[in-house]
Amino acid sequence: DQQVKQNSPSLSVQEGRISILNCDYTNSMFDYFLWYKKYPAEGPTFLISISSIKDKNEDGRFTVFLNKSAKHLSLHIVPSQPGDSAVYFCAASDVSGGSNYKLTFGKGTLLTVNP
Amino acid sequence: DSGVTQTPKHLITATGQRVTLRCSPRSGDLSVYWYQQSLDQGLQFLIQYYNGEERAKGNILERFSAQQFPDLHSELNLSSLELGDSALYFCASSRFSGTAYEQYFGPGTRLTVT
Repeated sequence: DQQVKQNSPSLSVQEGRISILNCDYTNSMFDYFLWYKKYPAEGPTFLISISSIKDKNEDGRFTVFLNKSAKHLSLHIVPSQPGDSAVYFCAASDVSGGSNYKLTFGKGTLLTVNP
Repeated sequence: DSGVTQTPKHLITATGQRVTLRCSPRSGDLSVYWYQQSLDQGLQFLIQYYNGEERAKGNILERFSAQQFPDLHSELNLSSLELGDSALYFCASSRFSGTAYEQYFGPGTRLTVT
């Protein structure tokens, strides 16, 4: 049972345009959400996170939106740059449930930004 | 550079063998997590240690075990290896600032079982 789903295996956008990566979750206990970027042969790099008490968090070109009622979150990258080309993983955690903050990951979306 | 180090970077071994993967967390981080990434799979949580004690287990096989030492580095032991154990193994660490629960990942160890 996949609790975090990224339904688009890949996404291609033009440089300068907006990239929107989507993520759905099924576990209502999740209350903290994160996005990671991963280049080949490297570990995932933390990008941005959001707590369930918020519906938006912004950091530079990256904005994460959370819709709790729909159990959906999205990552917006504006403007997209060729260096953003990577696999993006959505992850979720139940932080209020105790001291185990394990992350449950989606399978990732490969973003390609074309010059 | 996340500050999390993992060794070795690559490991090639035969079926039935045993290997040990090593992880050093970021300075000040007490929690260490191990994840496995197989082909076409997302990252799967294996096990968590906090300040030397096992805190949580995920989809970890009985052939696998881990420990965290007093200096907070951690080792993941994989025994009786099978072809299906070939994967990337990532270690992550975190310090939980009270409002932030991000985990920082090492570069991974690529295990190939032949």
